Amino acid sequence: SAVISQKPSRDICQRGTSLTIQCQVDSQVTMMFWYRQQPGQSLTLIATANQGSEATYESGFVIDKFPISRPNLTFSTLTVSNMSPEDSSIYLCSVEEWGALFFGSGTQLSVL
Amino acid sequence: QKEVEQNSGPLSVPEGAIASLNCTYSDRGSQSFFWYRQYSGKSPELIMSIYSNGDKEDGRFTAQLNKASQYVSLLIRDSQPSDSATYLCAVGGSSGSARQLTFGSGTQLTVLP
Repeated sequence: SAVISQKPSRDICQRGTSLTIQCQVDSQVTMMFWYRQQPGQSLTLIATANQGSEATYESGFVIDKFPISRPNLTFSTLTVSNMSPEDSSIYLCSVEEWGALFFGSGTQLSVL
Repeated sequence: QKEVEQNSGPLSVPEGAIASLNCTYSDRGSQSFFWYRQYSGKSPELIMSIYSNGDKEDGRFTAQLNKASQYVSLLIRDSQPSDSATYLCAVGGSSGSARQLTFGSGTQLTVLP
C-alpha cells in the first residue's frame, strides 16, 4: 500500500490561530481524504481533495474553516482556521486503494 | 443516514482465547466491509476486508459476513496482549467508493496476559 507521511504529528495551538497539516503520498493518487477523529469518537470525513478542483466538503464542514489545497497528485494540505478548543482532535489524511482506505500517521491537535 | 453499530466495550479476553467483535449496518446496498485496528495514539490500520457472504481467514483473523442479517464480525484466534486495541468496522456504500465508507465507533479490546 501507499506510504503516507503526515506532519506535524502533534501540535498545541492557541485559540484563534490556524494550523496547516501536510500530507505527502509516495505515489500518485486521484483523491485524498481528510478525516477528523474527536476524542473517544470514530472517524468523520471532512472533505475529499481532488487535484485541480475544489475540495468536496461533507455536511457540517465548510471551506472557510477547513481550507484544503491539492497542488499535485501526491500532496495535500488541510488548514484548521480560527481554532477553538472544540477543534482538538486527531486529523488524518488517507488515500484509497482497492476500495479500502489507508491512513497517514495523523496529527494530534490540542487547542488551548 | 447510514449507520454502523458496534459494541463499544471494553471487551476483555484472556490470552489465547478467541475474541469476537461484531458490527451491524443499516444500508442493505453496502458492498464492501473492512476491519481496522487502532492502537492508542496511532492511526487506523487495515487488517481485513470482505466483500461476499461467508468467512475469510487471514492468519489468526477471520472476518464473517452475513448480508441478509446485515452483520459483519471479526474473530481473533489465540488472542495476544499485542492485539489490545480499538477495532473499527467500516462499511462501504453501493458505489464502492471509499468516500462512502461509514465507520463504527469502535470496540475496545483488552487481552489479559
